[in-house]
Amino acid sequence: AQKVTQAQTEISVVEKEDVTLDCVYETRDTTYYLFWYKQPPSGELVFLIRRNSFDEQNEISGRYSWNFQKSTSSFNFTITASQVVDSAVYFCALSEGRETSGSRLTFGEGTQLTVNP
Amino acid sequence: ETGVTQTPRHLVMGMTNKKSLKCEQHLGHNAMYWYKQSAKKPLELMFVYNFKEQTENNSVPSRFSPECPNSSHLFLHLHTLQPEDSALYLCASSQGQPRTDTQYFGPGTRLTVL
Repeated sequence: AQKVTQAQTEISVVEKEDVTLDCVYETRDTTYYLFWYKQPPSGELVFLIRRNSFDEQNEISGRYSWNFQKSTSSFNFTITASQVVDSAVYFCALSEGRETSGSRLTFGEGTQLTVNP
Repeated sequence: ETGVTQTPRHLVMGMTNKKSLKCEQHLGHNAMYWYKQSAKKPLELMFVYNFKEQTENNSVPSRFSPECPNSSHLFLHLHTLQPEDSALYLCASSQGQPRTDTQYFGPGTRLTVL
């Protein structure tokens, strides 16, 4: 069975600090996809990134960066120079390996990030 | 409009009421999903539709009845709900490709059952 663990339930930082959100996953699939979503107070889950299991290159997008380490089954997310607008719940998710139409995502429990001014 | 929209955004209903949630996607996708998000719990997948056909029902009680008339619209009909059904109900859509799909979410409907 697949599982995603986000051990940090809540993180609080001061603006301009860097912060890393941890994500550890379990799967028996050799091919899988990992995702990060952001859920601001408005409720909508906003897609941030998708990474496939064959691509271990780290990715950077502005202040966001992702560190995929297959050896430790981790897909961590770092926000550099955090801002108040980054305050949200962040979810890590893993796609299931079934060859059915559409994806089946297993979500972690989320990390509530609060950035204080 | 763009993306995935959901109406209403907030809904309060009694246990004997019948109501419907609506989801519409403007992304040209073929798969649509209903999720339930309760406080302190992970997102729970409820139903999946692909090309209007239901492909997954995760043991959801029959008081929740989905309907997908076409690939752009998805409804969730509600009747005789329980207070524990109070939650944020999220709709999502994706292209319909196995495994690789990225799901795009709507803003959700915040449901309160009295």
